Amino acid sequence: EAQVTQNPRYLITVTGKKLTVTCSQNMNHEYMSWYRQDPGLGLRQIYYSMNVEVTDKGDVPEGYKVSRKEKRNFPLILESPSPNQTSLYFCASRPAGVHGYTFGSGTRLTVV
Amino acid sequence: GENVEQHPSTLSVQEGDSAVIKCTYSDSASNYFPWYKQELGKGPQLIIDIRSNVGEKKDQRIAVTLNKTAKHFSLHITETQPEDSAVYFCAASHNAGGTSYGKLTFGQGTILTVHP
Repeated sequence: EAQVTQNPRYLITVTGKKLTVTCSQNMNHEYMSWYRQDPGLGLRQIYYSMNVEVTDKGDVPEGYKVSRKEKRNFPLILESPSPNQTSLYFCASRPAGVHGYTFGSGTRLTVV
Repeated sequence: GENVEQHPSTLSVQEGDSAVIKCTYSDSASNYFPWYKQELGKGPQLIIDIRSNVGEKKDQRIAVTLNKTAKHFSLHITETQPEDSAVYFCAASHNAGGTSYGKLTFGQGTILTVHP
């Protein structure tokens, strides 16, 4: 089944403890992206990648890192999480050309 | 950068009625406009999209219209059903190269409730 898989689905952590949210897609898509969803603010793009080793900042990149060493994987790294990063995170992928993104099921992160 | 405004934030209709959600965008270079439906506990799902060289697109009970001059686009759902109840997001993107390539900016979302 073609899908974007994120792990974990739920995560509670403490301020300052580094964490990684994994994202993998099995559709051989070139583009991958991370979004955060907050009430009243919709979905805001954190980072996106156009292919292996090519990444760029979205609208809210502060406090996040990403890497794209393989085409299928696009992990989101929070080096020192803070409570304002408590949010619902979505990974998405799409093929090259004019296409919409396919989204994963989300990761709900709580930083205390 | 691109800014997308979406209205209304909530919309309540009776089953069988039509629902219309409107969005405006700021970047005249945007040329791709998808609509997503998000059900509770799930990720957004693409339901229809339109490119800037087209004024209208239909897919069964849903349609999207685009007015490039006014920089706004709308989602129309006819003969609404309870299963249409969800959060709907519009988005805008510039997909022809340049620094915006790959960016997709979303509106704030509309909570649609269809009452039986």
